[in-house]
Parts: sequence; C-alpha cells; structure tokens
Amino acid sequence: DTGVSQDPRHKITKRGQNVTFRCDPISEHNRLYWYRQTLGQGPEFLTYFQNEAQLEKSRLLSDRFSAERPKGSFSTLEIQRTEQGDSAMYLCASARQPNTEAFFGQGTRLTVV
Amino acid sequence: GNSVTQMEGPVTLSEEAFLTINCTYTATGYPSLFWYVQYPGEGLQLLLKATKADDKGSNKGFEATYRKETTSFHLEKGSVQVSDSAVYFCALGGGSNYKLTFGKGTLLTVNP
Repeated sequence: DTGVSQDPRHKITKRGQNVTFRCDPISEHNRLYWYRQTLGQGPEFLTYFQNEAQLEKSRLLSDRFSAERPKGSFSTLEIQRTEQGDSAMYLCASARQPNTEAFFGQGTRLTVV
Repeated sequence: GNSVTQMEGPVTLSEEAFLTINCTYTATGYPSLFWYVQYPGEGLQLLLKATKADDKGSNKGFEATYRKETTSFHLEKGSVQVSDSAVYFCALGGGSNYKLTFGKGTLLTVNP
C-alpha cells in the first residue's frame, strides 16, 4: 500500500494552455474523488468515480474540465484553456468502498500565469 | 443535498486547554461521518470516523460522537498540544450515492 500518488506535484502554466493531472489511487480502491482546494477553504468537490463509472460531476465545473478513469485504476483530470481562476490545489482521494474512509494524495498545485 | 456546517474559526487556545469544534450535518439516510486534519504544508489525513448513530470515533486523544438526534459530530480533545495546530475538516460520506462532502474547515492554533 503505497498511498495515493498524484503527478505532477506542481504545475505552472500560461493562461489558455491545457493541463492534465494524473492520480494513482491505492490498489483495489474502487472509489476515486477529485477535489479542488484554495487557500483557507475546504476541499470543493469536483467529481467522483466508482470503478470506471463517473457518478457525479459538480455543477460548478465548467465544460473546460474533464476527468476519466478508463480502466477503473488511475484517473486523469484535464483542464482546457486554463484561466487564472483555476489556480488551486487539486486533490485526489480514493476509498476501498463507498462507505469507508478516503485517503488523500499530496495534491497538484496549479498556478496559471 | 447533503451538507456539513462547521464552526467558524480561527480557534486559538493555550496548551492543555479543552477543545471543541462543532459540526452539524444535513443528509438523507445514514451517512458515515469523518474528521480530517491538515497540518501546515501537508495533505489531508483521516483523524477519526463513525459509521452509525451513537458510535464514538477516537484517535490521538480526539473524540467525536455520531448524534443522529441532533445531526452533530462535534470534535473534542481534553488537553490540546502545540502539535495539534492544524486545520480540521468535518465530512460526511458513505453509501453508494454519497460523495464525500466537507465542511469549510476550522483553523486551530495552540500556543505554548
């Protein structure tokens, strides 16, 4: 059990560019979450998967955001045409089952300049 | 929809003081309840959990009891230490239709 791994840890990008983040959950964890956290705020839900099925996507999430979990293992989060307001920490978490605790990765800090 | 309301911070205490951070929730059905902690510069870590009414979660001297009648899950510690300084998040989840939902967090600072 190596924990939830996120890559990259830091990303600086110019406004308008596309970025993609990767999350490797704990092995055999069926549920995977993506959150966004800005300074001084709690994690804001973005989307979550049960195996490869995306169960819900936040209404706050614009069409520029898309997430996939193609084989029910790792997941990617893509942001197209980044804006300065996208600057935040993007957190991934996984859980063995829906009613068990989630384990978080260290996050990817995105800075859009 | 489901939601979590936490007491507003920041909270500043002296070492060995008693800590309470209030958390109430709104949910349909019977969610599990969690407290997560985020130390400066680190990721979120699970502190404790409770999966059904009247359960008490405990860890590192912290406790919280799942109160269905008051829809609450208040975090308590009898004697805080400087090392407890962190942001504490209350969350609910569990069940096939529940996403993990967080409160806004409470910053705790413990002074020596």
